[in-house]
Amino acid sequence: QKEVEQNSGPLSVPEGAIASLNCTYSDRGSQSFFWYRQYSGKSPELIMFIYSNGDKEDGRFTAQLNKASQYVSLLIRDSQPSDSATYLCAVSITGGGNKLTFGTGTQLKVEL
Amino acid sequence: ETGVTQTPRHLVMGMTNKKSLKCEQHLGHNAMYWYKQSAKKPLELMFVYSLEERVENNSVPSRFSPECPNSSHLFLHLHTLQPEDSALYLCASSQEYGSTANNSPLHFGNGTRLTVT
Repeated sequence: QKEVEQNSGPLSVPEGAIASLNCTYSDRGSQSFFWYRQYSGKSPELIMFIYSNGDKEDGRFTAQLNKASQYVSLLIRDSQPSDSATYLCAVSITGGGNKLTFGTGTQLKVEL
Repeated sequence: ETGVTQTPRHLVMGMTNKKSLKCEQHLGHNAMYWYKQSAKKPLELMFVYSLEERVENNSVPSRFSPECPNSSHLFLHLHTLQPEDSALYLCASSQEYGSTANNSPLHFGNGTRLTVT
């Protein structure tokens, strides 16, 4: 069983729409949750992190965490073509710190 | 431009060659990492160094040998690799590593695309 699971996509949304990216994880003791964006041929870059249940907003991005359901999501409002990338979910497994376990990523395509 | 620099960007090597990947971070971080990224697979943690001491070695074959001479530099020495070792090798750094490092996200370099022929 995968420890961090994401739908590989591609997820296609029209420009200006809300893109919703989902991630589930298996370890109930997971403490920290991260979203990275990776453009083709580039390195992952941190978009958001969240530690507490609920929502965390940063500009057009909102991370949502539900520890009871072992679910974390990333919403991108007013999606732009420049948001087209692969989004990686990463989880800090029990024991804390930043020894991260990554999902395989969801490819997002924002279409004109 | 990232604060973590990796060289070379691309590397093609035969199975009998010896080569090294280099990583340098300009962020003043105390922890450095090697990750392997293969197509359709999640990022795999290979090694972690904290304050120049190796703290993680995730069952990586001995044909991969890391070296961390100081907190700013990290190397991955390669020898007698196999074609299945072809992948993107990513270096990363973070301010801290360990149980208190939840507020210490990873900063990645642009990676070395390795092809083993």
